[in-house]
Amino acid sequence: SQQGEEDPQALSIQEGENATMNCSYKTSINNLQWYRQNSGRGLVHLILIRSNEREKHSGRLRVTLDTSKKSSSLLITASRAADTASYFCATDALGGANSKLTFGKGITLSVRP
Amino acid sequence: SQTIHQWPATLVQPVGSPLSLECTVEGTSNPNLYWYRQAAGRGLQLLFYSVGIGQISSEVPQNLSASRPQDRQFILSSKKLLLSDSGFYLCAWSAEGGYTFGSGTRLTVV
Repeated sequence: SQQGEEDPQALSIQEGENATMNCSYKTSINNLQWYRQNSGRGLVHLILIRSNEREKHSGRLRVTLDTSKKSSSLLITASRAADTASYFCATDALGGANSKLTFGKGITLSVRP
Repeated sequence: SQTIHQWPATLVQPVGSPLSLECTVEGTSNPNLYWYRQAAGRGLQLLFYSVGIGQISSEVPQNLSASRPQDRQFILSSKKLLLSDSGFYLCAWSAEGGYTFGSGTRLTVV
């Protein structure tokens, strides 16, 4: 069963704008991860945020986690056409040696040049 | 450095035929290994995971099976494919900091 639910399902923005994607989940987690998938390709790990963290940055990416609301957001600043892809959040209930990721359905981001 | 290899990239198989997809990992020992399936326009569904040689856990009942004959080798199999087995199959291994995915196999059962 899918744990994470992203919204919006599709997002279209102009190059240079910021893109904000949200993810909600239902059960407690050890960590939450965001992945990117270009069409027909494998997934690429973007960022991991642990349950005891509230915010994390990596380059143009900013991820927040609110465990009280069971939600996370991924912000891509100053978007580029090359950011066009599908983005997935995934939750890991246990982490470590018992790690299993449960994925949402994904958000399709289109960045118009 | 750690790498993951998955093949073939695409596969077209008739209904009722067998299946064998292979995944190998380099540069790490005793990884957790995973098989996921992605239906068109959907998220990923965990099919099997393995914490060690010969140790396989199945997440959903299905027409597929998995085996781990060596530490860095994970195989997805079927004796008789169904139309519903079509999809994009991804192998992955986990380490601290996230999962590394293979490039995927697009399976079309006709």
